[in-house]
Amino acid sequence: QKEVEQNSGPLSVPEGAIASLNCTYSDRGSQSFFWYRQYSGKSPELIMSIYSNGDKEDGRFTAQLNKASQYVSLLIRDSQPSDSATYLCAEYNDMRFGAGTRLTVKP
Amino acid sequence: SAVISQKPSRDICQRGTSLTIQCQVDSQVTMMFWYRQQPGQSLTLIATANQGSEATYESGFVIDKFPISRPNLTFSTLTVSNMSPEDSSIYLCSVRTGAGEQYFGPGTRLTVT
Repeated sequence: QKEVEQNSGPLSVPEGAIASLNCTYSDRGSQSFFWYRQYSGKSPELIMSIYSNGDKEDGRFTAQLNKASQYVSLLIRDSQPSDSATYLCAEYNDMRFGAGTRLTVKP
Repeated sequence: SAVISQKPSRDICQRGTSLTIQCQVDSQVTMMFWYRQQPGQSLTLIATANQGSEATYESGFVIDKFPISRPNLTFSTLTVSNMSPEDSSIYLCSVRTGAGEQYFGPGTRLTVT
């Protein structure tokens, strides 16, 4: 069965640190992924998509896709308390979601 | 991006009744999706609704229980039929834009008593 797996956390980092969030996937045919942020009681917000191997940067966020090792990650630089949320990765074709990682950024 | 609205935002319904959730998007999109999210859980895809074709349901979801309409490129409805307390959840509409980005509506919080 095709799976997208995330460590549900919680992950706690101090303000200003780099938060690293990871997903692994089982389907070698998966080509592209989305990262979403979900605040409690709200719907998921798209942070960024990544369609090819390597890194993609958008502001404080960097997504990394490694097809050989079948993982996708999201780095958040200079983490802020407002980044505290659950982060979800999703595979593009089937839109399978990981379980989500709860991130807390402590002031 | 896409701006998505859902109606109702929340409802409390009695067991055995049905609720229809509406999803409206501000631009034409080919692909629309319906998800369910249980409290504290991740998202589960119910079905994909493409305009001009029958909805495609995921394993564990059937058309009789969750009928979907997709009359045009900006609108879809999901009906939750013959509800039971197990159907209490947040139901989310999602769309994929022509650029390949996927966005979510604000959700409908359903409580079945």
